[in-house]
Amino acid sequence: NAGVTQTPKFQVLKTGQSMTLQCAQDMNHEYMSWYRQDPGMGLRLIHYSVGAGITDQGEVPNGYNVSRSTTEDFPLRLLSAAPSQTSVYFCASTSLQGFHETQYFGPGTRLLVL
Amino acid sequence: DAKTTQPTSMDCAEGRAANLPCNHSTISGNEYVYWYRQIHSQGPQYIIHGLKNNETNEMASLIITEDRKSSTLILPHATLRDTAVYYCIVARGVNSGGSNYKLTFGKGTLLTVNP
Repeated sequence: NAGVTQTPKFQVLKTGQSMTLQCAQDMNHEYMSWYRQDPGMGLRLIHYSVGAGITDQGEVPNGYNVSRSTTEDFPLRLLSAAPSQTSVYFCASTSLQGFHETQYFGPGTRLLVL
Repeated sequence: DAKTTQPTSMDCAEGRAANLPCNHSTISGNEYVYWYRQIHSQGPQYIIHGLKNNETNEMASLIITEDRKSSTLILPHATLRDTAVYYCIVARGVNSGGSNYKLTFGKGTLLTVNP
């Protein structure tokens, strides 16, 4: 049971480039989320999904797209990278076992946009 | 979801109990108190949660006041590896019509455990 995995761990992009941050979970969780964390700040929600085929916007969705074709995978796409998207990105999935609803986070992807 | 207030930072000596406070005076009846922590450069990690009763697990204890307006996370014997940012979050569970799969993380409390 690997939990939540994210790739790549580090990435450097040039302004205008596009890329996809991968996130996968093997716990059969219905709910998955993407957050970004900037220095000295808490996590901010980008997009989330309540199940395969269903996604919605969070607090800071601009510049990002998501899709959820399977329960396991929830990729985050940067359409045209900007320096303001330099951040650490965390993917999470949520367990809904009874009332024990907790989020499991991946190790993060550190992105630098030049 | 109700907002929370936490001290910016706290220090604790290794081996001693760390008591992290959190105020959530606007909490509603079906909102849970969740605690997560984030060790430097890692993803947040769930610690514990509770509704109104005190809770204990292998990581920590959670004490919630009777009026539920505040709570305290207790790490009974802090170690150097407990140095982290601790987040107190109030949210309704999905089974209660809430959306705790999209939590609001504030700035938390930086706990530094000193040797």
